Amino acid sequence: DIQMTQSPSSLSASVGDRVTITCRASQDISNYLAWYQQQSGKVPKVLIYAASTLQSGVPSRFSGSGSGTDFTLTISSLQPEDVATYYCQKYNNAQWTFGQGTKVEIK
Amino acid sequence: QLQLQESGPGLVKPSETLSLTCTVSGGSISSSSYYYWGWIRQPPGKGLEWVGTIYYSGTTYYNPSLKSRVTISVDTSKNQFSLKVSSVTAADTAVYYCARQRIGTLAGTFFFWGQGTLVTVSS
Repeated sequence: DIQMTQSPSSLSASVGDRVTITCRASQDISNYLAWYQQQSGKVPKVLIYAASTLQSGVPSRFSGSGSGTDFTLTISSLQPEDVATYYCQKYNNAQWTFGQGTKVEIK
Repeated sequence: QLQLQESGPGLVKPSETLSLTCTVSGGSISSSSYYYWGWIRQPPGKGLEWVGTIYYSGTTYYNPSLKSRVTISVDTSKNQFSLKVSSVTAADTAVYYCARQRIGTLAGTFFFWGQGTLVTVSS
């Protein structure tokens, strides 16, 4: 099984800060990685798919990068509405796995 | 407008079988070969766990950690797909989501989710 390691598990940043979340796969998964946002009490929603493609309607301050084993989700300027838990999710050989999640808070 | 709605008992006794159905409206499960249909669960206060996925033809894929206890089926005539988890314990208490996954180069990304339903395992 390919393991996904997401870090950090939580972070606190100020409004306007640049925030970076990383996800590492134990084996090469090409660009088969997505990022989701789950606000408190809400359904997860996809932000980024295919590692770097922004889902329609998602603010452009969100971006994804990476390929192979190392991936990054960046929020270029943190906003209050970005308070949420973020999950990476990989696909490989008809198996889907979520990372452990990163809780983002406002300082 | 696509909608997915989970339904089933909110309380299940330990050792029994959890059964949930996802009803799809605003689109046909069998009308497109571009989609998988999946189940994801989230224990209270914890992260997301993929449970399993089915294609309209009935082909299934399961999380290895749950495979021995999970069955997913599809009923295209009712536009529904279902989840059964046998021999449940308190560890199976979770919000269960159904979702539509886009296949091909989009690698089964979970683009569309139901609202989720909480299932509690307790005597």
